[in-house]
Amino acid sequence: GAGVSQSPRYKVAKRGQDVALRCDPISGHVSLFWYQQALGQGPEFLTYFQNEAQLDKSGLPSDRFFAERPEGSVSTLKIQRTQQEDSAVYLCASSLTATGRGDTEAFFGQGTRLTVV
Amino acid sequence: GDSVTQMEGPVTLSEEAFLTINCTYTATGYPSLFWYVQYPGEGLQLLLKATKADDKGSNKGFEATYRKETTSFHLEKGSVQVSDSAVYFCALSERAGNNRKLIWGLGTSLAVNP
Repeated sequence: GAGVSQSPRYKVAKRGQDVALRCDPISGHVSLFWYQQALGQGPEFLTYFQNEAQLDKSGLPSDRFFAERPEGSVSTLKIQRTQQEDSAVYLCASSLTATGRGDTEAFFGQGTRLTVV
Repeated sequence: GDSVTQMEGPVTLSEEAFLTINCTYTATGYPSLFWYVQYPGEGLQLLLKATKADDKGSNKGFEATYRKETTSFHLEKGSVQVSDSAVYFCALSERAGNNRKLIWGLGTSLAVNP
């Protein structure tokens, strides 16, 4: 597609409910990132994939958070037993390169706004 | 760990005013530096970047120079327009390792009045 697509755009979950957030990266992009952005804050890194391999999950706040990218394209971020503090915008980004270069542009989706009530 | 500190907002300016949004960073290596912009209702977009010391990134009339001696990457524009109203984020990415994750500042909201 033309850009990074995330769905749903908005999600309201009752506390304790499981949610799944989807990210469709730009076709051919090797790297995929998930970030969490609380209201009025900058994004915080959650996890990073290079193709289907999850190379860094150090930012996942608890074991309730799980991400996968089984075929190296679409990725899903799953949050189990949601809590109110999980309310945030979840951003997905993809970039073309998988090399050690730090200067490749990351393209962002519009995010999924999760509200836990 | 690495961090980014940027000027708190909101910043309110009149059209054609000069803009500066300060950004300083702390990093153990030699990061690449970025400014991203988030227009109302839209996703984050890369505004400009610089990958090494003394590089100047520029786009849409905005500029920022990578200053290693002051660990800064201040965003400037000589004459802002109403359409520049948005939230601006400074970010860095370490050059070492496989993870190209971005470390972000808190964002600075800019409102430009006609």
